[in-house]
Amino acid sequence: AQSVTQLDSHVSVSEGTPVLLRCNYSSSYSPSLFWYVQHPNKGLQLLLKYTSAATLVKGINGFEAEFKKSETSFHLTKPSAHMSDAAEYFCVVTPTTTSGTYKYIFGTGTRLKVLA
Amino acid sequence: DTAVSQTPKYLVTQMGNDKSIKCEQNLGHDTMYWYKQDSKKFLKIMFSYNNKELIINETVPNRFSPKSPDKAHLNLHINSLELGDSAVYFCASSYSWRNEKLFFGSGTQLSVL
Repeated sequence: AQSVTQLDSHVSVSEGTPVLLRCNYSSSYSPSLFWYVQHPNKGLQLLLKYTSAATLVKGINGFEAEFKKSETSFHLTKPSAHMSDAAEYFCVVTPTTTSGTYKYIFGTGTRLKVLA
Repeated sequence: DTAVSQTPKYLVTQMGNDKSIKCEQNLGHDTMYWYKQDSKKFLKIMFSYNNKELIINETVPNRFSPKSPDKAHLNLHINSLELGDSAVYFCASSYSWRNEKLFFGSGTQLSVL
C-alpha cells in the first residue's frame, strides 16, 4: 500500500533562514511524488514534481526537493524563507503502475510559519 | 481566466437539505476530481471522472452523487446533508489520469448547521 508521512505538522523559521519540510513515502512501485502549497483560503498549487528523470527537482519560488530512494524521502527545501512562503505544504505520492487508476495520496500537511 | 472554477465559494445550510456544488475547467483536461478537506486539513479523494466516465469512487456515502455532463464540468450533489459533511470541497483537473499534476479550484467551504 502507498502512503506518505509528513514528519512535522508545524515548522517555524525566521525570514531569510533555510526551510526544510520533511516527507517520507511508502510505495510498492516506483512512485511519482509532488509537493503542493496551499495559501490561506486558496486552492492547492503545484510546487514541483518528481517522476524519476532526476533526483533533485527544482520547483517554483526557489523551492527544490531531493528524491532519496534509500531513505524513501522527498524533503522540500528552500535556502532562504520569505514571508510569502507562510502556507500549508502537502507532500503527495502516486504510484506508477502499468494498470489501474492513479490515486493521489496526500500527506497530512505541514504548516510553515515565517517569523519576521 | 480562472482555470478551475467552482461555485459557490461558501455554502451554509441546514441538516437534511440537498445542495450542489458546480465545477468547470477551461484547460481542456480529460480528468476531473472531487476532494474533501477536513478540519485538520487532510485531503482525501472522493471521485474522479475521465472523459465523463467515473474512474475513482472512494468509500463515500451514496448521498454524494457526482455528475459530469461533459468533460469540462463535474458537479457534486449532496442529499440529506449531515453535520459531518462540513468541510472544504475542492474540485481539480488534470490533463489525463496518468500521474499528471492537478490543477485545483479555490474550494467550497460547506457548513452544515
